[in-house]
Amino acid sequence: DAGITQSPRHKVTETGTPVTLRCHQTENHRYMYWYRQDPGHGLRLIHYSYGVKDTDKGEVSDGYSVSRSKTEDFLLTLESATSSQTSVYFCAISLTSGFTGEKLFFGSGTQLSVL
Amino acid sequence: QQQVKQSPQSLIVQKGGISIINCAYENTAFDYFPWYQQFPGKGPALLIAIRPDVSEKKEGRFTISFNKSAKQFSLHIMDSQPGDSATYFCAARVRGQGGSEKLVFGKGTKLTVNP
Repeated sequence: DAGITQSPRHKVTETGTPVTLRCHQTENHRYMYWYRQDPGHGLRLIHYSYGVKDTDKGEVSDGYSVSRSKTEDFLLTLESATSSQTSVYFCAISLTSGFTGEKLFFGSGTQLSVL
Repeated sequence: QQQVKQSPQSLIVQKGGISIINCAYENTAFDYFPWYQQFPGKGPALLIAIRPDVSEKKEGRFTISFNKSAKQFSLHIMDSQPGDSATYFCAARVRGQGGSEKLVFGKGTKLTVNP
């Protein structure tokens, strides 16, 4: 099984503070993704990475930045957290080789609450 | 238009019945259509997927029907069981930067199978 660890699993923070979520994988998969899940909105892509230092924006990237300095870690930063960023954040990796994202494996999620 | 429209939002089915979830899309560049299943507190997991050159794919009790001309696809769960109670997401693949590909998700359907 693909190993993905998201940390922290739960976080409560205050409006205006920066927050960093970490996604760690153990199997050197090239493609990694950050999604947020909200009731009524499903899963929405925030940012994704197609290699070390290669990242691109998803559909809801405003207020978020990412970094990938090594293959195994993909960090999501909320530069100045707002209440609208209260959500469950999922990291995912692509299990297929090559350029396909067709078999995404998701982590267990981070529940973030911004008060 | 990079959207996938999913219906219904929620569905209640009796044990042994057939559950049907529908999705529609506009972007003809989508080239792969997976379904994900998510249990409470867990990340989504790939259930079944289809390519647009095939009209139907069956895996056990789960079947995807695909209508390319109508730009619609659906998930059928035969002999639905209480253990199938979960949220189901349809998705479609679109190409991104650097040859990468990403999934666009529907908003989800919460399925409840009553015993």
